[in-house]
Amino acid sequence: AQTVTQSQPEMSVQEAETVTLSCTYDTSENNYYLFWYKQPPSRQMILVIRQEAYKQQNATENRFSVNFQKAAKSFSLKISDSQLGDTAMYFCAFMKQVDNNDMRFGAGTRLTVKP
Amino acid sequence: NAGVTQTPKFRILKIGQSMTLQCTQDMNHNYMYWYRQDPGMGLKLIYYSVGAGITDKGEVPNGYNVSRSTTEDFPLRLELAAPSQTSVYFCASTQVGVGTQYFGPGTRLLVL
Repeated sequence: AQTVTQSQPEMSVQEAETVTLSCTYDTSENNYYLFWYKQPPSRQMILVIRQEAYKQQNATENRFSVNFQKAAKSFSLKISDSQLGDTAMYFCAFMKQVDNNDMRFGAGTRLTVKP
Repeated sequence: NAGVTQTPKFRILKIGQSMTLQCTQDMNHNYMYWYRQDPGMGLKLIYYSVGAGITDKGEVPNGYNVSRSTTEDFPLRLELAAPSQTSVYFCASTQVGVGTQYFGPGTRLLVL
């Protein structure tokens, strides 16, 4: 079974600075998706960014970018120019591409952006 | 589009009571899922469905049942509520081959 590990339970960053959240995963699959979801205090799960494993280029979405290292099974999220609204739980998730039936989540990292 | 909607938002149950958590999506997605999120944890898959009439167990199915009579609806049934089922429940959906799952706002359930 696939496992996802987020080794940083909590992190904080000053507003406007950059922060990187770590994620590692374990799988024998070659084709899969990786995701970062944001969960603010409202509890809504919001997709931040996704990466297809077959793509070598790292995904970016505005201030959010990833560092995908397939051989190392690492998938970190970088948030640039942090904003107060980025304060949330962030979950890394893995899903095999062959079926969409089993998304595995990490335990999450609580990010606090300080003014 | 409303996306994925869930009702109720919050419910308190007594031990042994039953209830149904409702989930509806208006995106014509084939795949639907139920997850639970315990405090300080990530989400765990309870049940999923790949289409109307087809359901299967996820990682933590014990104590729950589901049905999928239409593409839009995927209710989750708790037959005999137990304190261990206190959690936040999320419904999600996706289209086959897309990968990204879209989540509802969650249902917070407290079993006392």
